[in-house]
Amino acid sequence: KNQVEQSPQSLIILEGKNCTLQCNYTVSPFSNLRWYKQDTGRGPVSLTIMTFSENTKSNGRYTATLDADTKQSSLHITASQLSDSASYICVVFDYKLSFGAGTTVTVRA
Amino acid sequence: EAGVAQSPRYKIIEKRQSVAFWCNPISGHATLYWYQQILGQGPKLLIQFQNNGVVDDSQLPKDRFSAERLKGVDSTLKIQPAKLEDSAVYLCASSLRGPNYGYTFGSGTRLTVV
Repeated sequence: KNQVEQSPQSLIILEGKNCTLQCNYTVSPFSNLRWYKQDTGRGPVSLTIMTFSENTKSNGRYTATLDADTKQSSLHITASQLSDSASYICVVFDYKLSFGAGTTVTVRA
Repeated sequence: EAGVAQSPRYKIIEKRQSVAFWCNPISGHATLYWYQQILGQGPKLLIQFQNNGVVDDSQLPKDRFSAERLKGVDSTLKIQPAKLEDSAVYLCASSLRGPNYGYTFGSGTRLTVV
């Protein structure tokens, strides 16, 4: 069983709307939790990195939250743009990186 | 700063053929990783190098996959012979000395085995 589970698998939203992606993990303890954005045909690019003691981290319109008690993280995208269409991957680092399967976001005009 | 360079970007081969991928990490990065990313899945680590030594190759299918980093800089990943299930994106990443220090992915090589 994968130690990092993401939901939903995919979602479609209209341009300008907000959305929230979920990440549940079993890795514990861990050094940091990361969210990556992967455009089609490209490698993943880091959006946020949070240590276990941080609750929230923002990068422009992207805001990640972390609840270490419930072992959950979320990535909130505000005022979505067409360029936000991508796969978003949650990654937990203890002594190695554990990758989720990703959530594919499609933003439509 | 130049990123992680990978080539080729795309490759289509027939099953049972051989293929090689090349990765040039960011200058000064001692750690290099090869991942396999099957469509709809997250990356799976195939092999991790520290300079020119192997740190982890526990998930590398050694009967058909091989990788080397002879001078501790660039690296090649080879598949021989390829199977249909090897169709995936092969990602290379590098970092200064572990995933917490400048960890960066390349754009990947998309392999299609027909």
